[in-house]
Amino acid sequence: EIVLTQSPGTLSLSPGERATLFCGASQSVKYSNLAWYQQKPGQAPRLLIDGASRRATGIPDRFSGSGSGTDFTLTITRLEPDDFAVYFCQQYGSSPWTFGQGTNLEIK
Amino acid sequence: EVQLVQSGAEVKKPGESLKISCKGSGYSFTSFWIGWVRQMPGKGLEWMGLIYPRDSDSTYMPSFQGHVTFSVDKSISTAYLQWDSLKASDTATYYCGRVRAGGGHLEYWGQGTLVTVSS
Repeated sequence: EIVLTQSPGTLSLSPGERATLFCGASQSVKYSNLAWYQQKPGQAPRLLIDGASRRATGIPDRFSGSGSGTDFTLTITRLEPDDFAVYFCQQYGSSPWTFGQGTNLEIK
Repeated sequence: EVQLVQSGAEVKKPGESLKISCKGSGYSFTSFWIGWVRQMPGKGLEWMGLIYPRDSDSTYMPSFQGHVTFSVDKSISTAYLQWDSLKASDTATYYCGRVRAGGGHLEYWGQGTLVTVSS
């Protein structure tokens, strides 16, 4: 089973700043089959990125994903108040599919 | 518009059975896998498995194999997640989602069903 480790656990930033979230895999993620989700309190997660770098429908270009192999990054430029949430990565390159434990992006 | 609407919150006792539902609309229900994800209180996300509505082909993640059952009723575009005997540790929010074609991630999500198991 591929273990995904996200860092940092909590990231405190101000609106307008840039956020960089990391997702490290215990083994190489095949075909860069890695997704990122955003979850706000009391809501279902929302798909942001799949294939490591492809934005989902309706996701603003302030969100970008990069990486391959075992190291992946989600970058959010020009943070807006609505961006403060928990972010999860998920690999679907090898079964069982697994999620990271999440990064809490909070307002500083 | 693609929508997945899940059944409402449930409160059950240990040992009881339960079946929760996930109704799809706005797309061809039988053409996309439906996935199930568990989120225990204050915790992260866990893949439970998925089912293909056209033929009910199912894949269970190892941690959930034998503990839950997936099913579908194609006539009403609804997928189900079932327990025969609940435990307190099943207390969680359960999400269904439509798996992206050719992928293994959820591009559309239901709103979640909170299941509370307590004596």
